[in-house]
Amino acid sequence: DAGVTQSPTHLIKTRGQQVTLRCSPISGHKSVSWYQQVLGQGPQFIFQYYEKEERGRGNFPDRFSARQFPNYSSELNVNALLLGDSALYLCASSLGLAGGQTQETQYFGPGTRLLVL
Amino acid sequence: DQQVKQNSPSLSVQEGRISILNCDYTNSMFDYFLWYKKYPAEGPTFLISISSIKDKNEDGRFTVFLNKSAKHLSLHIVPSQPGDSAVYFCAASAKPRNQKVTFGIGTKLQVIP
Repeated sequence: DAGVTQSPTHLIKTRGQQVTLRCSPISGHKSVSWYQQVLGQGPQFIFQYYEKEERGRGNFPDRFSARQFPNYSSELNVNALLLGDSALYLCASSLGLAGGQTQETQYFGPGTRLLVL
Repeated sequence: DQQVKQNSPSLSVQEGRISILNCDYTNSMFDYFLWYKKYPAEGPTFLISISSIKDKNEDGRFTVFLNKSAKHLSLHIVPSQPGDSAVYFCAASAKPRNQKVTFGIGTKLQVIP
């Protein structure tokens, strides 16, 4: 079975531009979470989506937004890019049992490495 | 404010010996703890977890110990193997469960053959 897939693998943008990152969860998984990992740090939680609804949001500005589609895939959008947005963006999926209200094992994709110049 | 702290950025251990990775947390609301392993160019992989109602959980060569009063947990790997060389992240979550997991900055483990 395919794991979590993310596209693109690498991306270079300039300040002020907008970017869209994509994630396909493991088949049967209904919950998708996004994390940002800056070099030398651990992943930081950005969003969680379950059944197309936002269930959790981390401490990120409104420039960051996401959505989940009926097939449970997800997109992360970042507007007005800053140099500090350069990071590895990780998507994780989980089953979404009990409406995502229990701590489930999250399966991470390989990430999209974004460089903002 | 680092709510999950891994104070050792790196650790080197001889093959066959025990690896002990440590983690401290400050948020008393955390009640579920996880360890992830990450190889270069891959996403983190879940390794083992422990609920706050337990003080030990074992899975093969991996054991996690939780000391709630000290807000400290540790991951023991016995015996260590070269394939265990990776970055290990300690992570924690609290209710309400929204799959938000707070990660530490990681400890790079090198197992020397």
